[in-house]
Amino acid sequence: DTGVSQNPRHKITKRGQNVTFRCDPISEHNRLYWYRQTLGQGPEFLTYFQNEAQLEKSRLLSDRFSAERPKGSFSTLEIQRTEQGDSAMYLCASSPLAGDTQYFGPGTRLTVL
Amino acid sequence: AQSVTQLGSHVSVSEGALVLLRCNYSSSVPPYLFWYVQYPNQGLQLLLKYTSAATLVKGINGFEAEFKKSETSFHLTKPSAHMSDAAEYFCAVRTNDYKLSFGAGTTVTVRA
Repeated sequence: DTGVSQNPRHKITKRGQNVTFRCDPISEHNRLYWYRQTLGQGPEFLTYFQNEAQLEKSRLLSDRFSAERPKGSFSTLEIQRTEQGDSAMYLCASSPLAGDTQYFGPGTRLTVL
Repeated sequence: AQSVTQLGSHVSVSEGALVLLRCNYSSSVPPYLFWYVQYPNQGLQLLLKYTSAATLVKGINGFEAEFKKSETSFHLTKPSAHMSDAAEYFCAVRTNDYKLSFGAGTTVTVRA
């Protein structure tokens, strides 16, 4: 396994701009998760996919956030009209359908100026 | 709702000393519990997990944790700290079939 990969690792943007992050899960992992981690806090659940179906979205995921997982492989997380409060580390994780362990990627650190 | 509470946001230990990180959980069903470690600017790495089998769980890098139902605790220990153990540690509980709920984390500093 090559592990979960995320791109870019760092993103600096100006308030009001749109950003998109990509996550490539471990091959053949059916489940994919997005979490957000702010400074000094633990990760907070954002959304979850089983194959291509998005099965749950946290109330933290405002209308400016959208996530997709076309064909059940990689996933993208888009934030429209970024705000300074969106500055955080965005973590992606994946797991097999029957597994209980989530494997995390290195994260994408977003800074909104 | 299932949740975890980590007691102590910062722990400082001397190299070679015992590391003890505290985690208490709240769950109405038998919990699945996890400890993850995060090094600066990196993602989370699984240290160990409890999934209702043995109550004493051994993980990587010499860490272990004991599940105590009577105390609703899942504390993480390592007998002898190494400089490479300096990191942030997160306790987590699986809240349903898939979602993890994390504690706020404990930062470990190791003094030479």
